[in-house]
Amino acid sequence: QSVLTQPPSASGTPGQRVTISCSGTSSNIGTNFVYWYHQLPGTAPKLLIFRNTQRPSGVPDRFSGSKSGTSGSLGISGLRPEDEADYYCAVWDDRMNVWVFGGGTKVTVL
Amino acid sequence: EVQLVESGGGSVQPGGSLRLSCSASGFTFRSLAIHWVRQAPGKGLKYVSSISGDGGSTSYGDSVKGRLTISRDNSKNTVFLHMTSLRGEDTAVYYCVAMTTTTGGFENWGQGILVTVSS
Repeated sequence: QSVLTQPPSASGTPGQRVTISCSGTSSNIGTNFVYWYHQLPGTAPKLLIFRNTQRPSGVPDRFSGSKSGTSGSLGISGLRPEDEADYYCAVWDDRMNVWVFGGGTKVTVL
Repeated sequence: EVQLVESGGGSVQPGGSLRLSCSASGFTFRSLAIHWVRQAPGKGLKYVSSISGDGGSTSYGDSVKGRLTISRDNSKNTVFLHMTSLRGEDTAVYYCVAMTTTTGGFENWGQGILVTVSS
């Protein structure tokens, strides 16, 4: 059972927009920044979004992040076949004093 | 270019011990906190442990507290994860990760190293 709750799967056709939610509590998302990572099969995760909304250099602007209260979300617009991957949210938890991850969302491009 | 390379993984029996190493290059090693994140086969990511740049501060996930110890040797640009009293549920790919102040996130990941705990 993960501290952060994500839907296990999401899907869309090429060109569509997909949104992934990440639900937490006041001790984690309610207080701290949300981060998003994606992971292609057999590879290490990669940072996609930091501090709720910002993209590292090289990440396309098709990826966007937002946060409201104790929930964060990741949006992928103009879905492409190469976006098929697992997506994870992460945040520091002030009560547990550790980083916590969501259970991951598998995105499928139909 | 930041590079992190894990080593020391392998198979061990329940109750056994193992030491993972993470060798770093491409940045001022002592300036960055280093973290371990693991992923059990077919499962999601789970935080394991962190150590500050000077080694003075450490933290651990609840499931490993008391059994794993993180340390670093800044003269060798290496972080260690000493794992004892290993259990089947510790079986996972262990990633060494560097966090920068630029993003505050797990920005640079090693390729990961597999630890298998089985009799």
